Amino acid sequence: AQSVTQLDSHVSVSEGTPVLLRCNYSSSYSPSLFWYVQHPNKGLQLLLKYTSAATLVKGINGFEAEFKKSETSFHLTKPSAHMSDAAEYFCVVSHSGGGADGLTFGKGTHLIIQP
Amino acid sequence: DAGITQSPRHKVTETGTPVTLRCHQTENHRYMYWYRQDPGHGLRLIHYSYGVKDTDKGEVSDGYSVSRSKTEDFLLTLESATSSQTSVYFCAISESIRGPSNEQFFGPGTRLTVL
Repeated sequence: AQSVTQLDSHVSVSEGTPVLLRCNYSSSYSPSLFWYVQHPNKGLQLLLKYTSAATLVKGINGFEAEFKKSETSFHLTKPSAHMSDAAEYFCVVSHSGGGADGLTFGKGTHLIIQP
Repeated sequence: DAGITQSPRHKVTETGTPVTLRCHQTENHRYMYWYRQDPGHGLRLIHYSYGVKDTDKGEVSDGYSVSRSKTEDFLLTLESATSSQTSVYFCAISESIRGPSNEQFFGPGTRLTVL
């Protein structure tokens, strides 16, 4: 069985300061890991993904995430927050041995950017 | 953006009526998915399809049925809508479920209210 835990339901940072959104996972197989972003009243957009190549993954809009197998973590970071980053973020795990129903979503982290 | 459309985008209906939501893709991807999104639950898989006329149940399939008669269309039907099915419904597609193209792309969503 696999699971995803997003450790914070809400994160608030000031514009221009670093962002850290935390995600821990468990998987019996070699996982693929994703971060998606959802702006208000919009669909989910893929930010970045890890599929067993480089452990540091760069995504769109200056976001990156580091896969740490020993810590079973895949935290999302950004050096400097922008007002447009305010959104809901989802960490997602897919195990390579799974079927088409193999994605597991975290419950989401709401990122608030203070001016 | 991946070519995924959902219709209708908003619908209000009454308890006991049948409802059909449509997902249409122009990417010729094999896999298609229906999710529902509810506060505090993230996204939960309702049904998915791995080819024309090939479908299977997800985590929360009770009260829902699906059909896929063409590669590009995936229909979700609520046979007799209930208030607990008030939700935002997302369609997603993926090229594969393993390897480098296993990410899912999401449609804009359908907001369904059952009175």
